[in-house]
Amino acid sequence: AQKVTQAQTEISVVEKEDVTLDCVYETRDTTYYLFWYKQPPSGELVFLIRRNSFDEQNEISGRYSWNFQKSTSSFNFTITASQVVDSAVYFCALSPPADRGSTLGRLYFGRGTQLTVWP
Amino acid sequence: EAQVTQNPRYLITVTGKKLTVTCSQNMNHEYMSWYRQDPGLGLRQIYYSMNVEVTDKGDVPEGYKVSRKEKRNFPLILESPSPNQTSLYFCASSLMGGRIVTDTQYFGPGTRLTVL
Repeated sequence: AQKVTQAQTEISVVEKEDVTLDCVYETRDTTYYLFWYKQPPSGELVFLIRRNSFDEQNEISGRYSWNFQKSTSSFNFTITASQVVDSAVYFCALSPPADRGSTLGRLYFGRGTQLTVWP
Repeated sequence: EAQVTQNPRYLITVTGKKLTVTCSQNMNHEYMSWYRQDPGLGLRQIYYSMNVEVTDKGDVPEGYKVSRKEKRNFPLILESPSPNQTSLYFCASSLMGGRIVTDTQYFGPGTRLTVL
């Protein structure tokens, strides 16, 4: 079974603080993809990153960084020096790439973490 | 500009009045999918399509229909909407390699539907 858990429902920080959003996943597949999406108050879903299960290198993109650890089945997302514009709901998602009928191409989403950054 | 478009963006309707939400992508993607988002439940897949005339159910297909007559379009049809279908709906598309989705799924802007 595929499952994504984002245990933090809501997080509040003050601008310029660093914040880490946790994501823990469950899958029996050896090959899979992990994603993070951002949903700002306007409602659209914005793709942030995709990571292949064979690539455990951490990634940094500006103030954003991702820590993928297969040993703990985690794919955590850190925002450094947070800004008010980072306020959004963040979703972690898992996708098995294999041909598995109704699970083909499906994204298994966590329930999301609401991040509020105060000025 | 590469994009997924949905129409309408907002819709208020009444129980039982048939409606269609359109989805169109200009990236020549084979794979298209519909999700609904509800508070506390995240996003759940309704239907998906691997190519023209090929569709299949996701996790919550009851009360919905889809069709894929053209590669770029994937409309979502609610033949007899009910209040429990009040939700935020997203269309997504992606490339495929053979029978495997090979690329990131890109989402439309969402359609907020209210059924009274």
